[in-house]
Amino acid sequence: GNSVTQMEGPVTLSEEAFLTINCTYTATGYPSLFWYVQYPGEGLQLLLKATKADDKGSNKGFEATYRKETTSFHLEKGSVQVSDSAVYFCALNPSATDSWGKLQFGAGTQVVVTP
Amino acid sequence: GAGVSQSPSNKVTEKGKDVELRCDPISGHTALYWYRQSLGQGLEFLIYFQGNSAPDKSGLPSDRFSAERTGGSVSTLTIQRTQQEDSAVYLCASSLGGSNGYTFGSGTRLTVV
Repeated sequence: GNSVTQMEGPVTLSEEAFLTINCTYTATGYPSLFWYVQYPGEGLQLLLKATKADDKGSNKGFEATYRKETTSFHLEKGSVQVSDSAVYFCALNPSATDSWGKLQFGAGTQVVVTP
Repeated sequence: GAGVSQSPSNKVTEKGKDVELRCDPISGHTALYWYRQSLGQGLEFLIYFQGNSAPDKSGLPSDRFSAERTGGSVSTLTIQRTQQEDSAVYLCASSLGGSNGYTFGSGTRLTVV
């Protein structure tokens, strides 16, 4: 079946540190991959996406590259800010032929950035 | 509307009572999804609508849970005879489909006491 595995949190780091959140997936077919962010007290927001192998999604200084050979979609940011403190969810849409299908989410990784 | 709207934002109910949660998706989004997020847990899929029909309701935890969508727009999630384990944040999302991803509402925090 389809699944998403992401590193457990919380991840605690200082402002301006480098952030990596690992995400690996299992899927049949050719999934689309997403990162969502949930700030405290808010709903989930789409952060970035990639729809095919070797695509790089980027937004707000965050990047993730769709690696088919390692079935990974790791999220990175070079210099985090306190405002990046949130829960980050990796997700996949299992198949390009089932474009309406439900997203499969990882368990989420809490990131805490201290001044 | 500009975003996905959910109401109420918070609901406290007594065990055994019925509750209705409402979701108003983005205009023109034909796909609508309900998820549940329990404290410290990830997102649990409940049901998905395409237009007014529900091709996938595999995530509904029990027959106490039901959902409908009318006019290809507003959806209502109903939980009958609520139990304490139903306490969670219920999230609604809508989508244009494909690689567009979802737009989520802010959720309804349900507390069963």
